[in-house]
Amino acid sequence: GDSVTQTEGPVTVSESESLIINCTYSATSIAYPNLFWYVRYPGEGLQLLLKVITAGQKGSSRGFEATYNKETTSFHLQKASVQESDSAVYYCALGEMNYNQGKLIFGQGTKLSIKP
Amino acid sequence: GPKVLQIPSHQIIDMGQMVTLNCDPVSNHLYFYWYKQILGQQMEFLVNFYNGKVMEKSKLFKDQFSVERPDGSYFTLKIQPTALEDSAVYFCASRPTANSDYTFGSGTRLLVI
Repeated sequence: GDSVTQTEGPVTVSESESLIINCTYSATSIAYPNLFWYVRYPGEGLQLLLKVITAGQKGSSRGFEATYNKETTSFHLQKASVQESDSAVYYCALGEMNYNQGKLIFGQGTKLSIKP
Repeated sequence: GPKVLQIPSHQIIDMGQMVTLNCDPVSNHLYFYWYKQILGQQMEFLVNFYNGKVMEKSKLFKDQFSVERPDGSYFTLKIQPTALEDSAVYFCASRPTANSDYTFGSGTRLLVI
């Protein structure tokens, strides 16, 4: 079936250090998978951080980036230098946005804490 | 930016009672969704709703669940009767077109006791 697996949290990183949160996916019933990273800051709703709809492309936002790798079925989230404000829960998700149902399949979330 | 509002943010209800979760979507959005997240587990798709109809539902969307959006007001998820396993956070989402980005609400934490 379709599924998403990501780094199990919680993850703690020191401020200004680099970050990688791993995400791998299985898309057996989705012809053209689109990949997403969402973020939930404390007390807020889920927000789209970045998305990539074409294999081989890279998405970036707020210093984060992720490359859609079809060969390894991965979409790892990386940031070169984290800030305290990056503390949040990060969700990798799989979907097919041109399909009129357009449901998303989420990973379990990775809680990230940044040490000042 | 525009927000999806969910009311209430927390609800405690006795098993067997009915509960209605309310979602106030973004005003020009046409596609509406409910997702369910049990504590410690993934957020999972329940149902999507467009043009007054359920377009797709998952196996989690039991017969006790129903959705509606009467006269363009709140998009609601009703559970009748509730069961202990319905305890979860329920997230509403909306979007203007079928291939737009979602806007999510902050969730309603439902506890069935």
